[in-house]
Amino acid sequence: AQKITQTQPGMFVQEKEAVTLDCTYDTSDQSYGLFWYKQPSSGEMIFLIYQGSYDEQNATEGRYSLNFQKARKSANLVISASQLGDSAMYFCAMREGYGGTSYGKLTFGQGTILTVHP
Amino acid sequence: ETGVTQTPRHLVMGMTNKKSLKCEQHLGHNAMYWYKQSAKKPLELMFVYNFKEQTENNSVPSRFSPECPNSSHLFLHLHTLQPEDSALYLCASSSKLGGFTEAFFGQGTRLTVV
Repeated sequence: AQKITQTQPGMFVQEKEAVTLDCTYDTSDQSYGLFWYKQPSSGEMIFLIYQGSYDEQNATEGRYSLNFQKARKSANLVISASQLGDSAMYFCAMREGYGGTSYGKLTFGQGTILTVHP
Repeated sequence: ETGVTQTPRHLVMGMTNKKSLKCEQHLGHNAMYWYKQSAKKPLELMFVYNFKEQTENNSVPSRFSPECPNSSHLFLHLHTLQPEDSALYLCASSSKLGGFTEAFFGQGTRLTVV
């Protein structure tokens, strides 16, 4: 079964600085996708960035980048130039590809609360 | 506008009530999901539908009854709930079930059972 672990319950960062949110995963499948979502206090889950298991390049989306280390099974989110609006809960998630035991299930980690200080 | 709309946004119900949560997606997606988010717990997948057919029931108690009349609409019928069922219920959709497609979420229904 797949499992996602986020070991940082809370993180603090100064505005305009970079921050890394950790995520490790466990799967026996070779084909999977890794996702990061942001959840502000309003409750909505906002998709940020995606990394496929076969992608050789780390994914980037604006100020978000994903530090993908396949051998270590880690997929850390890096937010550059933090803004006050980045304060939210961040979730790492994974879904296995066709044929995987957890095909179709998007499994989430426990989340990390990020607070950006002015 | 996320493309996935959930109603109501907030719901307070007694343990003997019957209510329904509604989810609608305008993204042309084929897969839809219900998640439960309790305080201090990871999101729990409840149900998965693909092309209107239920493909996953994650050992959810029968007091939660999903319905998917078409690929655009998903309901969660609630009856005789318990206080521990109070949570944020999130609906999501994706173009397919596969590993390489992101899911888009609605804003959730915050349910309080009294």
